[in-house]
Amino acid sequence: KNQVEQSPQSLIILEGKNCTLQCNYTVSPFSNLRWYKQDTGRGPVSLTIMTFSENTKSNGRYTATLDADTKQSSLHITASQLSDSASYICVVSAQAGTALIFGKGTTLSVSS
Amino acid sequence: EAGVAQSPRYKIIEKRQSVAFWCNPISGHATLYWYQQILGQGPKLLIQFQNNGVVDDSQLPKDRFSAERLKGVDSTLKIQPAKLEDSAVYLCASSKGLAGGLNEQFFGPGTRLTVL
Repeated sequence: KNQVEQSPQSLIILEGKNCTLQCNYTVSPFSNLRWYKQDTGRGPVSLTIMTFSENTKSNGRYTATLDADTKQSSLHITASQLSDSASYICVVSAQAGTALIFGKGTTLSVSS
Repeated sequence: EAGVAQSPRYKIIEKRQSVAFWCNPISGHATLYWYQQILGQGPKLLIQFQNNGVVDDSQLPKDRFSAERLKGVDSTLKIQPAKLEDSAVYLCASSKGLAGGLNEQFFGPGTRLTVL
């Protein structure tokens, strides 16, 4: 069964600190993996999209890594800001042209 | 460019009533999606359109949910009759092509439905 598992479920960090969110998937055959940021009351916004051949992709203070062999991905946030408080959702596509499989998300709270 | 528009933003109804949601995708986007997001969970695909044709509606509860995209542009999602477990945020998204490729998927703000 195609699944996407994220950890931790929630996380609280101090402003300025770094954090790493994890994503494990059992989707096959793999096409691509995305990380989305969803602010409260808003729709998800894409942060990164990675294919099988990509190991790392950055978007500002967000850096995503992908290990297709172990089927794991991480999202690293550097020098966190209050505006980073949101839900971060890992999404995997089984093969080109089909629906996306969403994880439940990690809720990040950044406090001052 | 303008984003994905959805209305209404909030809706409260009683169980067994009917409700409809509207979505206008980004201009030129052929693919349109409706998702259901229950509190604390990731979005679940309900239906996917490519232009005005249905690509995937395998998770749409067809006994009560219906959706259409008659002219291949905007779309409506209807629930009739609503149940308590339908309380969720209904997200509309669009992409230039099928999102399973590398086409970026853009989401609207969602409609928060509360069924009492």
